[in-house]
Amino acid sequence: DTAVSQTPKYLVTQMGNDKSIKCEQNLGHDTMYWYKQDSKKFLKIMFSYNNKELIINETVPNRFSPKSPDKAHLNLHINSLELGDSAVYFCASSQSRLAGGLRNEQFFGPGTRLTVL
Amino acid sequence: AQKVTQAQTEISVVEKEDVTLDCVYETRDTTYYLFWYKQPPSGELVFLIRRNSFDEQNEISGRYSWNFQKSTSSFNFTITASQVVDSAVYFCALSEDLTGSSNTGKLIFGQGTTLQVKP
Repeated sequence: DTAVSQTPKYLVTQMGNDKSIKCEQNLGHDTMYWYKQDSKKFLKIMFSYNNKELIINETVPNRFSPKSPDKAHLNLHINSLELGDSAVYFCASSQSRLAGGLRNEQFFGPGTRLTVL
Repeated sequence: AQKVTQAQTEISVVEKEDVTLDCVYETRDTTYYLFWYKQPPSGELVFLIRRNSFDEQNEISGRYSWNFQKSTSSFNFTITASQVVDSAVYFCALSEDLTGSSNTGKLIFGQGTTLQVKP
């Protein structure tokens, strides 16, 4: 069974389009994250939800909007796609956002490679 | 400010050699967590280890070992008798144990070290 899954795995689209990436975890975790990995492999946090509540919103254009319908799902919607949005987007989950005393290692999905033409 | 530095961009070794991947971190917090992740050519991110700042005991898991030294703010990773399957990008990451709403659990990643193990 896949612990953290993302769909689609690959997404190729034109500039200006709107697209969504879906993420689901079956680990019973409370916290989910979106990270962006750029062409130089650098990984940076974008958003995080804890029990459906937004707890991290890094400096990300407001064209990006996360949505968490329940604590097992965290979707990422991107409006008006730009060339610079091309990257691999990773979803992750952890048991808890609280680092102290609890197992807070994050488990990552397989990634979604977004290519904007 | 939080920062993780992996100064080695790329390392190339021949199979069966030992290799050490360096990680240096900066944090203002006294309690924090350090992680290593592996990203093989297939692209997924695989969790390898978590280390608490209050536990400086080194750890060994098979051919993998980790050396945590608070005095030098380093958390280095050694692969003994490397194998071709070890070829991957390895990321070191930091998570701070802050209080209240500042505690988000977010990971601050280093730039990654690409390890190539040649047969």
